[in-house]
Amino acid sequence: DVKVTQSSRYLVKRTGEKVFLECVQDMDHENMFWYRQDPGLGLRLIYFSYDVKMKEKGDIPEGYSVSREKKERFSLILESASTNQTSMYLCASSAAGGVGEQYFGPGTRLTVT
Amino acid sequence: KNQVEQSPQSLIILEGKNCTLQCNYTVSPFSNLRWYKQDTGRGPVSLTIMTFSENTKSNGRYTATLDADTKQSSLHITASQLSDSASYICVVSASETSGSRLTFGEGTQLTVNP
Repeated sequence: DVKVTQSSRYLVKRTGEKVFLECVQDMDHENMFWYRQDPGLGLRLIYFSYDVKMKEKGDIPEGYSVSREKKERFSLILESASTNQTSMYLCASSAAGGVGEQYFGPGTRLTVT
Repeated sequence: KNQVEQSPQSLIILEGKNCTLQCNYTVSPFSNLRWYKQDTGRGPVSLTIMTFSENTKSNGRYTATLDADTKQSSLHITASQLSDSASYICVVSASETSGSRLTFGEGTQLTVNP
């Protein structure tokens, strides 16, 4: 079974803090994705990566950055957390080819106070 | 602009009953359509995935249909169980030269009551 894990299920941070969200997948997938999910808005793509050290902006990259130093690990960074970044963050991975199924992690519920 | 619209927004049914969830999309060029189930506080889990040439696919009590001409899909749940209570998300993939880009619906929140 594909397994995608995220470093925290719940996280509470203060405004202005630097926040790291970690995602690890164990299926040797080339593609990895970060989404945020908000009520009434569905899932929105923040960043994705097709290979190590490669990244591309999604639909809402402002205020976020990412890092992919190893194939299995994809990190989302909030350089200076703000209250409007309070959300559920979901990581996903998929095999190369672009049309493969995406497997999601359990999510991190981030609250910025 | 690529869009996926789901209806109804929420649905409450009694255990053992059937239900059908709807998905309309305007995504081009179409690659495939997926239905995901998301339990509260969890990540989405795939139920079915259909390409352009497939018009029905089943996964246990879940049956998805696709009409590529009208750009509509439905998810039918048979003999519902309490564990079916979840959000059901329709996701459509568009083919791009750099890979696929997914467009997510907002989901239908299903509640199954005893």
